[in-house]
Amino acid sequence: AQSVTQLDSQVPVFEEAPVELRCNYSSSVSVYLFWYVQYPNQGLQLLLKYLSGSTLVKGINGFEAEFNKSQTSFHLRKPSVHISDTAEYFCAVSPSGTYKYIFGTGTRLKVLA
Amino acid sequence: NAGVTQTPKFQVLKTGQSMTLQCAQDMNHEYMSWYRQDPGMGLRLIHYSVGAGITDQGEVPNGYNVSRSTTEDFPLRLLSAAPSQTSVYFCASKPELNTEAFFGQGTRLTVV
Repeated sequence: AQSVTQLDSQVPVFEEAPVELRCNYSSSVSVYLFWYVQYPNQGLQLLLKYLSGSTLVKGINGFEAEFNKSQTSFHLRKPSVHISDTAEYFCAVSPSGTYKYIFGTGTRLKVLA
Repeated sequence: NAGVTQTPKFQVLKTGQSMTLQCAQDMNHEYMSWYRQDPGMGLRLIHYSVGAGITDQGEVPNGYNVSRSTTEDFPLRLLSAAPSQTSVYFCASKPELNTEAFFGQGTRLTVV
């Protein structure tokens, strides 16, 4: 079975400061990794994905994530956040060869002025 | 291109009532799924389908039925609504294995 852990339920950060949202996963098979963002009262939007290749993945809105297989992590980073980045962020894994997604419990990022 | 469309956006039901949440996608994706989102629990898979005529249970299927008669549509039926089914429901579709899913805007359901 697979599981995804997002240790931080809420992360407050000041505008223009860097941020890291942590994601760890557990799986006995290879997985594909995703980060989604959910703005208030909206659906989920794909930020970035790791399917193969370079372990540093760049996404939309200046976000990036690094896949670390030995630590089974896929942390999301942004060097300088904006007020508009305030949202909930979900890490998800999809076991190779399946259609399934397993989501973490989400991290609420609150950017303070 | 509309993507994944869910209706209604909001719904209030009384305990015991039944209803159908609609989901349609115009991307010709084979895989469709339903999730519920509850505070502090992320998204949990209710049911999924890998093609017309094929459905299967996810993590939390009790109290819900699905069918897939066409590639485009994947309705979710609540047979007898309970307060525990108060949640936000998301429909998603994927074109193939090992790709990202596309989500609808969600249906906020309240059961009183």
